[in-house]
Amino acid sequence: GESVGLHLPTLSVQEGDNSIINCAYSNSASDYFIWYKQESGKGPQFIIDIRSNMDKRQGQRVTVLLNKTVKHLSLQIAATQPGDSAVYFCAETGGSNFGNEKLTFGTGTRLTIIP
Amino acid sequence: DAGVIQSPRHEVTEMGQEVTLRCKPISGHNSLFWYRQTMMRGLELLIYFNNNVPIDDSGMPEDRFSAKMPNASFSTLKIQPSEPRDSAVYFCASRRTGIQYSPLHFGNGTRLTVT
Repeated sequence: GESVGLHLPTLSVQEGDNSIINCAYSNSASDYFIWYKQESGKGPQFIIDIRSNMDKRQGQRVTVLLNKTVKHLSLQIAATQPGDSAVYFCAETGGSNFGNEKLTFGTGTRLTIIP
Repeated sequence: DAGVIQSPRHEVTEMGQEVTLRCKPISGHNSLFWYRQTMMRGLELLIYFNNNVPIDDSGMPEDRFSAKMPNASFSTLKIQPSEPRDSAVYFCASRRTGIQYSPLHFGNGTRLTVT
């Protein structure tokens, strides 16, 4: 889907709780998905990725779930910390053999961790 | 790993002036992307290069925008003449080609203000 930054969804979570950020995509041909974290004044930072031949992938405190049937992606952050406060973007692309594909970014979700 | 390096971090200029943004990709990455981020439109891809060759410049808004990549370790994005509506954060990102599923790595951006 295209990114239209008119309104940023927000999510507030108590420190220590788990958070789930959701993302819907529209291109059924997309086969590679990435979550980025963007803190104020910084560029998007890679968190975790997943290929379409998987439905779940885990990292350190983060888990990405992919549901290709409904074209839905989610990022779960366990035991949230104040440093997790940021804007989170999902990105999708249709893979190519030589990596020249373009990423399509979602609108982003602002996550605020409440101390 | 120094990451993607962009300069300047901030640029304030008057309408009509020429602006040049600079980027050094991560060593070994030979795909380079220029993005623009605004509140209204989110992250927009302007142009990307593969092995120093421009592949897709369909996102470049107008002829006032031009980008070059004279070698594998340097790229510029030039706006001439600049206009107030060009005010945005401009990000450079790079990735390794030849690896089908590899994420983009972003710099920390150049915040451009055109008055």
